[in-house]
Amino acid sequence: DAGVIQSPRHEVTEMGQEVTLRCKPISGHDYLFWYRQTMMRGLELLIYFNNNVPIDDSGMPEDRFSAKMPNASFSTLKIQPSEPRDSAVYFCASSFWSSGAPTTDTQYFGPGTRLTVL
Amino acid sequence: SQQGEEDPQALSIQEGENATMNCSYKTSINNLQWYRQNSGRGLVHLILIRSNEREKHSGRLRVTLDTSKKSSSLLITASRAADTASYFCATDAWAGGGSNYKLTFGKGTLLTVNP
Repeated sequence: DAGVIQSPRHEVTEMGQEVTLRCKPISGHDYLFWYRQTMMRGLELLIYFNNNVPIDDSGMPEDRFSAKMPNASFSTLKIQPSEPRDSAVYFCASSFWSSGAPTTDTQYFGPGTRLTVL
Repeated sequence: SQQGEEDPQALSIQEGENATMNCSYKTSINNLQWYRQNSGRGLVHLILIRSNEREKHSGRLRVTLDTSKKSSSLLITASRAADTASYFCATDAWAGGGSNYKLTFGKGTLLTVNP
């Protein structure tokens, strides 16, 4: 398996532009998570999906951020309009839930997208 | 707010020495996990310990969990230069018998192993 795939790996854009980050989870995984990592705030969960349905988006900073999962093999995180404070590394992770377990186990992370907003 | 807090923030040791990192958390948990992140890479799962377990081993890794103190430690024995990375603990807060699929990560311990 290729693991979790994210694109692009690096994105440099100007303030006010729309940014779209993409993620392909591991085949067969039913949970998908979007995280943001900065030096100041560490790793923050933005939103997660179960079977393509958004379950908890309480970590999404504001209305400028939106995420979709149109099918089991693809998800996007969109920022419109982007601002310099959105500069961070954005990670996608996927996981598999075992029936009866109270939580998922291992999360498999992609390599991340380093976003710089000028 | 951070559920898990690692200690120390940074640790520098010589190759061959043991490295111990600690994690404290605030609420009851189902599981505690440790992840490693090499510079510029994504996080990689190392080991998971459940709330009813006290100790777990995986190769050169040893994890302990003390739920009464709400703390965990990660021991890496006979460290190698390749172990240089940031190490994070992650917890899933117990949801009162319900399900919780959210992990909360600490800010990590930066381990440097000098050759």
